[in-house]
Amino acid sequence: EADIYQTPRYLVIGTGKKITLECSQTMGHDKMYWYQQDPGMELHLIHYSYGVNSTEKGDLSSESTVSRIRTEHFPLTLESARPSHTSQYLCASSSDRNYGYTFGSGTRLTVV
Amino acid sequence: EDQVTQSPEALRLQEGESSSLNCSYTVSGLRGLFWYRQDPGKGPEFLFTLYSAGEEKEKERLKATLTKKESFLHITAPKPEDSATYLCAVQSYASGGSYIPTFGRGTSLIVHP
Repeated sequence: EADIYQTPRYLVIGTGKKITLECSQTMGHDKMYWYQQDPGMELHLIHYSYGVNSTEKGDLSSESTVSRIRTEHFPLTLESARPSHTSQYLCASSSDRNYGYTFGSGTRLTVV
Repeated sequence: EDQVTQSPEALRLQEGESSSLNCSYTVSGLRGLFWYRQDPGKGPEFLFTLYSAGEEKEKERLKATLTKKESFLHITAPKPEDSATYLCAVQSYASGGSYIPTFGRGTSLIVHP
């Protein structure tokens, strides 16, 4: 049973809209991450956080923002959606930076 | 810059036909190597972490091994339910305090009954 939850699972939205992808975990993990994944391609890091009120940018961070007000919650916001944002977005968490991640089931975003 | 190359890109096996998946890496000091399994439409599921050359980990029909240049995921007598994409990721000391791993593109495994 999943301990990290992402909503929505699927989203179709128009260009220029502001959207927030939700991610929550019940494991008490300090470390949380957002990745983007396209079919057959590597996971690319968007943002990460090592604790409350601490966020860092990854390689693909320029068009999105995150917040970490509570340990269990790490939402990702796209201020103005574009067709190039069409992708699978994966949230993950870990109890230690040396450990493997627990991933959510992802949000499949389509921008039309 | 850390690099991870997985091969083959796709692999088709008959049930019971053992094989191996390869993960070759180039890093400035390996901190850890991770294997994940990903089913279609789902997030990756963590399988193993290997930290040093010579280390081995096993789980059911899967066995992961590590050398200084590559890791192998051996699948013994696979079953159709082993069909998935297997991802490799490496974490290096060059990433500094971030510990952020670099992922490969994965190997898509299909096991036919």
